[in-house]
Amino acid sequence: GESVGLHLPTLSVQEGDNSIINCAYSNSASDYFIWYKQESGKGPQFIIDIRSNMDKRQGQRVTVLLNKTVKHLSLQIAATQPGDSAVYFCAESLDYGNKLVFGAGTILRVKS
Amino acid sequence: DTGVSQDPRHKITKRGQNVTFRCDPISEHNRLYWYRQTLGQGPEFLTYFQNEAQLEKSRLLSDRFSAERPKGSFSTLEIQRTEQGDSAMYLCASSLGQPGTGELFFGEGSRLTVL
Repeated sequence: GESVGLHLPTLSVQEGDNSIINCAYSNSASDYFIWYKQESGKGPQFIIDIRSNMDKRQGQRVTVLLNKTVKHLSLQIAATQPGDSAVYFCAESLDYGNKLVFGAGTILRVKS
Repeated sequence: DTGVSQDPRHKITKRGQNVTFRCDPISEHNRLYWYRQTLGQGPEFLTYFQNEAQLEKSRLLSDRFSAERPKGSFSTLEIQRTEQGDSAMYLCASSLGQPGTGELFFGEGSRLTVL
């Protein structure tokens, strides 16, 4: 079950810098991972996903890295913009298209 | 708007009352999920449907909670005899449910406040 406190980790970056958000996932059998962005008062919005047979995937301004050895996932955002300010969640799944289990989230604050 | 829609967006109720939330998924999606999210936490899985069949329910889902998807399209989530601990954002999501298409599309959520 979840055992996360109310204080999410916060990453503050200067506009234009690169951001790296980290996530430790729990189940070594998970084979699909996904990053979501959630703005205040809105539902989670898809950013990028990766399957367990890959260790890196790139999108537009975003890159996801997967290290299965240590069960670690990271999201890199290039040239961070004020519109990137949000809470970022990683999620894992035991099979594609099945339920996602979410992590606790990281707040990203972009300073102009 | 062809995304996932949820209704109502906000609901304030008194303890002990029943509430019902509705979710309309993306039309071609055969899987529909309900999640609950409290402040400062990630969404927690509650239940999901493949077409009209409810395939999995979380242990978080007490018997006061019931979800239906009678025709494999929209879904309802009912909470009976609400408690203050039920206050949360209830998120609905849908997906194609096909291998390699793991992305869940979320609605904007229904926020419940139990007084």
